[in-house]
Amino acid sequence: DTGVSQDPRHKITKRGQNVTFRCDPISEHNRLYWYRQTLGQGPEFLTYFQNEAQLEKSRLLSDRFSAERPKGSFSTLEIQRTEQGDSAMYLCASSLDPGQGNEKLFFGSGTQLSVL
Amino acid sequence: GDSVTQMEGPVTLSEEAFLTINCTYTATGYPSLFWYVQYPGEGLQLLLKATKADDKGSNKGFEATYRKETTSFHLEKGSVQVSDSAVYFCALSRNFNKFYFGSGTKLNVKP
Repeated sequence: DTGVSQDPRHKITKRGQNVTFRCDPISEHNRLYWYRQTLGQGPEFLTYFQNEAQLEKSRLLSDRFSAERPKGSFSTLEIQRTEQGDSAMYLCASSLDPGQGNEKLFFGSGTQLSVL
Repeated sequence: GDSVTQMEGPVTLSEEAFLTINCTYTATGYPSLFWYVQYPGEGLQLLLKATKADDKGSNKGFEATYRKETTSFHLEKGSVQVSDSAVYFCALSRNFNKFYFGSGTKLNVKP
């Protein structure tokens, strides 16, 4: 169990550029979540996948944001035409299907995005 | 909509002091409640959980009881240690598809 890994750890970009983040969940976990966290706030839900299917997406997620999990393993989160307000920590988490005590999220260390 | 409110920090205590971090929630139905902890430089990790009213979650000396009548899930520990210094997040989920987190409470424990 190598845990949830995210890449890169830090990303600095200029406004208007596109960025892509990667998340590798724990291998047997079929659920994968993306959250966003700003300074002094708790994680805020963006979207989640059950295997390769994206089942729910926050209304906060504008059409500049897109997430994929093509083979039900790793996931990517892309932000197009970045804005300064996108600066945040982007967190990935994974879990087993809920039930039988599996209601536990395993978080990665996050990708810190700074938009200049 | 669903939400969690927790006490603002930072909370500064001396080692062996009693800890309470307040958490209240708003949700329809019967959500499950969680406390997550983030140690410096690490990702969030589950500390404890309770899935129905009157359940008590416990782990590493921390406890929290699911109180439906007061919509609360306060975190307590009888004797804190320096190693407990971290940020604590209260969270809820109704269907485990989406989790709602509070804004976090930073705890500093001084020797």
